[in-house]
Amino acid sequence: QKEVEQDPGPLSVPEGAIVSLNCTYSNSAFQYFMWYRQYSRKGPELLMYTYSSGNKEDGRFTAQVDKSSKYISLFIRDSQPSDSATYLCAMSSEDGNQFYFGTGTSLTVIP
Amino acid sequence: NAGVTQTPKFQVLKTGQSMTLQCAQDMNHNSMYWYRQDPGMGLRLIYYSASEGTTDKGEVPNGYNVSRLNKREFSLRLESAAPSQTSVYFCASNRPRPTPRYTFGSGTRLTVV
Repeated sequence: QKEVEQDPGPLSVPEGAIVSLNCTYSNSAFQYFMWYRQYSRKGPELLMYTYSSGNKEDGRFTAQVDKSSKYISLFIRDSQPSDSATYLCAMSSEDGNQFYFGTGTSLTVIP
Repeated sequence: NAGVTQTPKFQVLKTGQSMTLQCAQDMNHNSMYWYRQDPGMGLRLIYYSASEGTTDKGEVPNGYNVSRLNKREFSLRLESAAPSQTSVYFCASNRPRPTPRYTFGSGTRLTVV
């Protein structure tokens, strides 16, 4: 069993839709939870991070962490064609030295 | 601009040839990493370096070697390239404190024929 599981999609939604992206994990030592966005032929870029459980909001993006269920989510409101990318979840234990990545979910927002 | 710089961006090798992928960061990070990204496989860690002078194997180290030349530079070497090493290679650096944050380079697209 991989430490981090992520549905690869692909996911295709109309512009303006609410998008939900999810990851599950098995290691209870994970404390940092990140979402990276990767445009085609580019390197991943940090989108949001959360420490421990709870929610974090940044504009149209909301990250949620449920440590009791070992489940994290990223919600995108009012999705835009510019949100079309691959989204990777990543996690780290308290020392923050090594990240464990999901395989990524490919998202396409159709105008 | 501050960040992680990888060279080259593209490379085609013949089976058995060798090459070195270069990576440099200017953020004064201690930790650096090499990943490969393949369709459906996500990012897989090849090697990492927690600090200058140290390197450790990751998930898929076979066929690769690394050198942490100094705090800024971390190179990945393929001694005898194989078609299975066709992939996109990403270098990253990390600032574990106060909050961990990986910064990635733009990648090297390598094709081995």
